[in-house]
Amino acid sequence: RKEVEQDPGPFNVPEGATVAFNCTYSNSASQSFFWYRQDCRKEPKLLMSVYSSGNEDGRFTAQLNRASQYISLLIRDSKLSDSATYLCVVNAGSARQLTFGSGTQLTVLP
Amino acid sequence: EAGVTQSPTHLIKTRGQQATLRCSPISGHTSVYWYQQALGLGLQFLLWYDEGEERNRGNFPPRFSGRQFPNYSSELNVNALELEDSALYLCASSWDSSYNEQFFGPGTRLTVL
Repeated sequence: RKEVEQDPGPFNVPEGATVAFNCTYSNSASQSFFWYRQDCRKEPKLLMSVYSSGNEDGRFTAQLNRASQYISLLIRDSKLSDSATYLCVVNAGSARQLTFGSGTQLTVLP
Repeated sequence: EAGVTQSPTHLIKTRGQQATLRCSPISGHTSVYWYQQALGLGLQFLLWYDEGEERNRGNFPPRFSGRQFPNYSSELNVNALELEDSALYLCASSWDSSYNEQFFGPGTRLTVL
């Protein structure tokens, strides 16, 4: 079983749609959680850290369920510029080693 | 505030040669991380340096090594290059925080011929 598993995608949605990505992680000792976005052949950029209480940043909402070891990202009112690969990322703690999911590709269509 | 910088942008080597990649962290960040992203594959953790010491290592052979300098910049050295070492090498930095938000540089694309 992979340490971090994501929806396989790809997701093709029209502008203005709401899209949700899911992610599960296997290490119950994981302490911090993130969503990164990566554009083609570019570096990953931190989109959001995910906190236990859930958090929102504009059109983006992230949720964490530690009991189910599940993380989600909701994007509302999708824009063309949201097209990218979204990476679910988990840090197991003292090892400071980020473990990346394989990513979910999103294409927002005009 | 300047982000993480890496050099060179591209590097072409032949099998058996050595490659040296460089990274400068965000000002104030003391930890530097190296990751490998081979074409079509996910990011794989290589090395973590903090305060000049190697703190953690991923599942890579010893010919992948590096160091961190007193100014917190870092070098990644890959000896005896193999074709499968062709990849995007990404450096990230973070401040000393248990939450460990890491910020990535643009990467060095290494091609081994």
